[in-house]
Formats: sequence, C-alpha cells, structure tokens
Amino acid sequence: EVQLLESGGGLVQPGGSLRLSCAASGFTFRSYAMSWVRQAPGKGLEWVSAISGSGNRRYYADSVKGRFTISRDNSKNTLYLEMNSLRAEDTAVYYCAKERISGDYVPDGMDVWGQGTTVTVSS
Amino acid sequence: SFELTQPPSVSVSPGQTARITCSADALPKQFAYWYQQKPGQAPVLVIYKDTERPSGIPERFSGSSSGTTVTLTISGVQAEDEADYYCQSADSSGTYVFGGGTKLTVL
Repeated sequence: EVQLLESGGGLVQPGGSLRLSCAASGFTFRSYAMSWVRQAPGKGLEWVSAISGSGNRRYYADSVKGRFTISRDNSKNTLYLEMNSLRAEDTAVYYCAKERISGDYVPDGMDVWGQGTTVTVSS
Repeated sequence: SFELTQPPSVSVSPGQTARITCSADALPKQFAYWYQQKPGQAPVLVIYKDTERPSGIPERFSGSSSGTTVTLTISGVQAEDEADYYCQSADSSGTYVFGGGTKLTVL
C-alpha cells in the first residue's frame, strides 16, 4: 500500500525553525517528484514547494522562498521541509504529496497525500 | 503567477447534478486537476488532465474544459459527495496554484 506519513510539526515561536519529515512507503520513492502543500485553519490549500525525484531541482511558492528548503533522502525514502524565520501566517496543516507520474518533475497532479502534520507559530 | 477562481459554494439536492467551475486569468491555461477534501481528511484527486478520472473514483465525477474555464461535474450527487472541492493547475515554471475552493452542500 502506498503511504506517506508526516511528522515534525509542533508549536514554535515567531522567528523560530522547524523541520518536517515525510516517510514514504509502497512505491519507488526516488522515481517520483514530491510536494509540500499547506492549509491554514479554515482556509484553502496552498502549494508550498516541490522537488524532483533526484533532488536536483527545487521549486518554491513566493510566500516561502528564501525561508523554506525542501530536500529528500532517497536512501531513507524520506522527504523534508526545513522551515526558518517562521511567521504566524505559516500556521497550517502541512501535507506531503506524491506526483501522479514518475520521471522528471512535470506538474501533473498529486495522487497520494499524507494525513498532515500541524505547525503552529505563536508566542 | 496566475489565479484560479472558484465559486465559494454550490448547493444541490441528492440525485441532481452539481457543476463547479474554475476560471484562470489571462495567462494560458495548463491542464487542471480537481481534489475532494472532506472535513479532517487529506485531499483526494478526483480528476486529472482536465477530464481524466483516476481508478477508484466513481463514474459520476467528470471534468470538462472550455477556453480558460474548467468544470467539475458530479452527476447524481450523493450525500457522501458533500465536501470542499479544489481545482489546481501549474504554470510553465513548475509552480502549482490552487483555486480558493468550493464547498459543495447536499441539501
């Protein structure tokens, strides 16, 4: 069964840092690009970042560029999101999601999602 | 970047047809994708590449495209279809964009 399991969320003060992880299983992790998508309380979905299967290409939303870093360890089947200089508006449930098709990163929809991990930025 | 515009809410009675639109602004439209999200759950892909349905998604879900507007149609709506629906697309730089979401209420 294809599964994604996020972890690492929690309460952090404004200006602080946090690293999220997403453990993948049930598919050839290195063959698929992956994304992080977040959802603020009571709000819609917001794409945050994506990374190619090899990890050599990374993409970011303007709202997080320069503060967040996406990475992956294909030997551990794990995706990461390093979040620095956190702001109150970064408070959200963070989902990791698998791209629908294998190969190089070409946005074509996300067919598997984790259950999310909650990040709260507050003093 | 570009924006995708959805109606905030759509209401239908059971058995009727629900149509949810998603309009792109002036930038050329790429393929669109639709996700269903029920309260407290992760999104589920229900339509990809404007009109294609993933395996396991009921046939009552369909997608169409005309110009810069795509439409998700749910025929014979059931109570279990009550959820938030999001359209998604991407620009040529690889950046995804989501619409604001539409709350489907089954009366």
